[in-house]
Amino acid sequence: NAGVTQTPKFQVLKTGQSMTLQCAQDMNHEYMSWYRQDPGMGLRLIHYSVGAGITDQGEVPNGYNVSRSTTEDFPLRLLSAAPSQTSVYFCASSYGTGLGYTFGSGTRLTVV
Amino acid sequence: GDSVTQMEGPVTLSEEAFLTINCTYTATGYPSLFWYVQYPGEGLQLLLKATKADDKGSNKGFEATYRKETTSFHLEKGSVQVSDSAVYFCALSAQGGYQKVTFGTGTKLQVIP
Repeated sequence: NAGVTQTPKFQVLKTGQSMTLQCAQDMNHEYMSWYRQDPGMGLRLIHYSVGAGITDQGEVPNGYNVSRSTTEDFPLRLLSAAPSQTSVYFCASSYGTGLGYTFGSGTRLTVV
Repeated sequence: GDSVTQMEGPVTLSEEAFLTINCTYTATGYPSLFWYVQYPGEGLQLLLKATKADDKGSNKGFEATYRKETTSFHLEKGSVQVSDSAVYFCALSAQGGYQKVTFGTGTKLQVIP
């Protein structure tokens, strides 16, 4: 049982480049979310999904896209990377958010 | 809107000391309350949770009681170990389906031998 798997663990991008952060879970969870973690700001919700084919915006969605074609996968796309997107990104999944999340180990992204 | 306030860190304790990390919240209704722990270089892990007033969540020697009257969910452990050094996050979520999870800003705990 792998839980929530995120790849890559580390990434350096140049300003303007695009990339996709991968997230996969093997627990058949309906709900999946992407957060970014910045010093002193806690975790902020970027996008979330309540099931295959259904996504919605969180607090800080600008500059990011998501899709959910399967229950297992929830990739996060950076369209045109900016230094302000330097952060640690976490994917999380749950049967219901009142039950608690399972988090991935994170992707540390640096945009130069 | 909902909010979670937890004590500023870092908290530095000697091994075997008693730990309290304060957490208070503002929310409508009866949210679920959580403590997550984040070890260096890792993601958050659910440590314990409580879903109704007076419930006590417990795990790995940590405990927290859902206090509706004081809107608090303080984390306690009777005797900390060096391996407990981590960042601890208090969080809340309304119950039922998908609900936004509100996290506190985290409290860093350092336990010295």
